Amino acid sequence: DTGVSQNPRHKITKRGQNVTFRCDPISEHNRLYWYRQTLGQGPEFLTYFQNEAQLEKSRLLSDRFSAERPKGSFSTLEIQRTEQGDSAMYLCATQGQFSSYEQYFGPGTRLTVT
Amino acid sequence: AQSVTQLDSQVPVFEEAPVELRCNYSSSVSVYLFWYVQYPNQGLQLLLKYLSGSTLVKGINGFEAEFNKSQTSFHLRKPSVHISDTAEYFCAVSTNAGGTSYGKLTFGQGTILTVHP
Repeated sequence: DTGVSQNPRHKITKRGQNVTFRCDPISEHNRLYWYRQTLGQGPEFLTYFQNEAQLEKSRLLSDRFSAERPKGSFSTLEIQRTEQGDSAMYLCATQGQFSSYEQYFGPGTRLTVT
Repeated sequence: AQSVTQLDSQVPVFEEAPVELRCNYSSSVSVYLFWYVQYPNQGLQLLLKYLSGSTLVKGINGFEAEFNKSQTSFHLRKPSVHISDTAEYFCAVSTNAGGTSYGKLTFGQGTILTVHP
């Protein structure tokens, strides 16, 4: 257990519905990353927060995706009007300011869009 | 931009045999290199990392990796594997976390290591 938690662990939704995932970081970690992992592929970077500021977004993050990190604590990732192509594992990782670039990953949220 | 290629998608080996999982990267700037392991239904766990200094890096569970700058490789090795090493292994790179890349990781496609009794 790395200390990064994600909820829910699994989500099944119908196409067109909105979904929201939550990531709770290790408490002293100020950097937070979201990645997406599809079957047979490595994780792909989606977005990055330093404290509450969202400093980078991937081109993979379409307008239907939004992420927040209020007060620099937990983070949420929302997908609006889900599509079947959104089915994937969504991973959250956090990193402390002095942790030698090591990112600690949560267990992920598996999204299935039917 | 950087990229990572893991040359083998699957590697089957017998227990107690040595194993090497291959990783090559491409980047126009200096990189930091990582190997992560993912067990079924679990998150990624860091095995080892290369930031600077000695090119031979030792990690957890008896794994080690060697950074070869001229060949842009970072192959993972273990002299004797166990059944419990069965998992998927990912090679990843990042660039200077203090710059505009913000330390994001670029991953390879993964190598599934299966250890047979």
